[in-house]
Amino acid sequence: NAGVTQTPKFQVLKTGQSMTLQCAQDMNHNSMYWYRQDPGMGLRLIYYSASEGTTDKGEVPNGYNVSRLNKREFSLRLESAAPSQTSVYFCASSEVSGGTYEQYFGPGTRLTVT
Amino acid sequence: GNSVTQMEGPVTLSEEAFLTINCTYTATGYPSLFWYVQYPGEGLQLLLKATKADDKGSNKGFEATYRKETTSFHLEKGSVQVSDSAVYFCALSPGSGGSYIPTFGRGTSLIVHP
Repeated sequence: NAGVTQTPKFQVLKTGQSMTLQCAQDMNHNSMYWYRQDPGMGLRLIYYSASEGTTDKGEVPNGYNVSRLNKREFSLRLESAAPSQTSVYFCASSEVSGGTYEQYFGPGTRLTVT
Repeated sequence: GNSVTQMEGPVTLSEEAFLTINCTYTATGYPSLFWYVQYPGEGLQLLLKATKADDKGSNKGFEATYRKETTSFHLEKGSVQVSDSAVYFCALSPGSGGSYIPTFGRGTSLIVHP
């Protein structure tokens, strides 16, 4: 049981390049999330998917797109990377039950945009 | 909207000292409350949780009690170890009928010296 996996672990991009961050979970959870973590800013939600087939914007969606490929996989795409997108990106999944749910996080992708 | 406020760090302690990290929240209804821990270079992982008023969550010597009257969920440990050095996040999930979006505090860094 791997939990939540993310690839790649590290990535360096030049301004304007594009890339896709991959996330997969093997816990059969309905909900999946993408966060970014910056020093002093805590976690900020980029996009989430409450269930397969749905996606919604979070707090900081500009410059990103997502795809819920199936129940297991939720990818995050940067179409034209900017230095402001240098951050650590975390994927998470959870199962909502009666309004109580805990999140399971992946190990993160450390992205630098030069 | 919902919010979580936790004390700013870093909190610096000597080994075997008593730890308190304060957390207060604002939410409608009956949220569930969580503490997550993030070790260096890793994703967040659930430390403990409480789903209703007066519940006490506990794990690995850490405890927190859900206090609805003071809207608080303070994290405590009687004797910290160097291995407890990490960033701690207080979080809430909305109660039944709420959104799928949890709310996180900004995190409190704990440094434990030998």
